[in-house]
Amino acid sequence: DTGVSQDPRHKITKRGQNVTFRCDPISEHNRLYWYRQTLGQGPEFLTYFQNEAQLEKSRLLSDRFSAERPKGSFSTLEIQRTEQGDSAMYLCASSPKTEPNYEQYFGPGTRLTVT
Amino acid sequence: GQQLNQSPQSMFIQEGEDVSMNCTSSSIFNTWLWYKQDPGEGPVLLIALYKAGELTSNGRLTAQFGTTRKDSFLNISASIPSDVGIYFCAGTIQGAQKLVFGQGTRLTINP
Repeated sequence: DTGVSQDPRHKITKRGQNVTFRCDPISEHNRLYWYRQTLGQGPEFLTYFQNEAQLEKSRLLSDRFSAERPKGSFSTLEIQRTEQGDSAMYLCASSPKTEPNYEQYFGPGTRLTVT
Repeated sequence: GQQLNQSPQSMFIQEGEDVSMNCTSSSIFNTWLWYKQDPGEGPVLLIALYKAGELTSNGRLTAQFGTTRKDSFLNISASIPSDVGIYFCAGTIQGAQKLVFGQGTRLTINP
């Protein structure tokens, strides 16, 4: 199966610790997106990359959040000094180069719990 | 910012019934997508719509892109137990790549 993969699937951390999540997009998809989903809500956009360039960041992405996609393939999302409000499902998606390229395919998500 | 209003928030139906749900916005969207999410998993793309008035089917699912470009509908015919889950509409506005999601419709099926 060559879908979007995310690692880890679950992360429990103590408040104040740093965490890093990884996303591997579908092979040859040049766009990669990060979303955050809290219980009972739809996903909310955080940021997206086209190849290695980060083209848009939501105001939800505070200074404690940073995302990278250094070689235009996998991406990492780091949260520094975690807070309880960061507890959520972090979803990664990718979309293809060719039209139509608005179809985003999601990974299984990383569930973060901050205690 | 753009918001999508999905209704109903939840549905309780009998197996075999047809289901209808919709999504509306005060803004014009140029793409509409419908996703299904199971507990603990990421959303799975069901149908994508690109033109106003477009009607697209995927098996027992049919979705339409509203002619005003401010709404979309999803119908499921002859529901089966595996249709249980949360259905999300999502869309993009002109010039943007990010998806804006609705709040979801939770579908429960009584066998």
